[in-house]
Amino acid sequence: GAVVSQHPSWVICKSGTSVKIECRSLDFQATTMFWYRQFPKQSLMLMATSNEGSKATYEQGVEKDKFLINHASLTLSTLTVTSAHPEDSSFYICSPFSGGRPNEQFFGPGTRLTVL
Amino acid sequence: KQEVTQIPAALSVPEGENLVLNCSFTDSAIYNLQWFRQDPGKGLTSLLLIQSSQREQTSGRLNASLDKSSGRSTLYIAASQPGDSATYLCAVKARAGKSTFGDGTTLTVKP
Repeated sequence: GAVVSQHPSWVICKSGTSVKIECRSLDFQATTMFWYRQFPKQSLMLMATSNEGSKATYEQGVEKDKFLINHASLTLSTLTVTSAHPEDSSFYICSPFSGGRPNEQFFGPGTRLTVL
Repeated sequence: KQEVTQIPAALSVPEGENLVLNCSFTDSAIYNLQWFRQDPGKGLTSLLLIQSSQREQTSGRLNASLDKSSGRSTLYIAASQPGDSATYLCAVKARAGKSTFGDGTTLTVKP
C-alpha cells in the first residue's frame, strides 16, 4: 500500500494559537485529499475535501475560515486550525485519494491536537 | 447520504471465542468497504479491504464478507485473543472517493 505521513503526530497548544498539520503521500500522487477528525469515543467524520490546486469543499458544520486547507501539490496537503480553542482538540486524519487508484484507500497515521 | 451502522457498539468475550462484528450501510453504490482496527489514542490500521465486486476477503484469523444488495458486511474473528481488543471500524467508500465510517465496535477479549 501507499505510504502516508502526517506531521506532527501530536501537538499541544494554547488557546488562540494556530496549528498547521501536514499530510504527505510519499509514493503516489493524491489528486484529492480528504480530512477527517475524530472526537474522543466517536468515529471519524469527514471535514473537507480538497482537490489539488483548487479550493476545498467543507462538510456542513465545518467552518472554512477556521480550518484552512491547502492542497498546493499532488503530494502535500496542509490543514491549519486557526485560533484554536479547547473544543478543537481532536484527532485529525488525512486520506489521500488518486483517481488512478480509485479502489484503494489510504490514511495518514493521524495528528492528535490538544488545545489548552 | 450514506449512513453506516455498526452493531454491537461494544462486545466483551472470553479468549478463544469466535465472534462476528456487523456493519450495515444504506447506499449500495459503493467502491469498496474496509475494516480498520484502532487502538486507544492511535491511528487506523487497515485489516481488510473488499472491493465492490468481491464477496469476501480473508487474512489470518480474520474474514470479512460483503453483501452489497443487502447493504451488509461482517467481520469474523476466529479464536479471539486479548491482543484483539480494540475498536473496529468499517468504512464504506463512495465512487467519488469519500469514505463514511461507522461508529465502531469496541471489542474486549478477556484472558
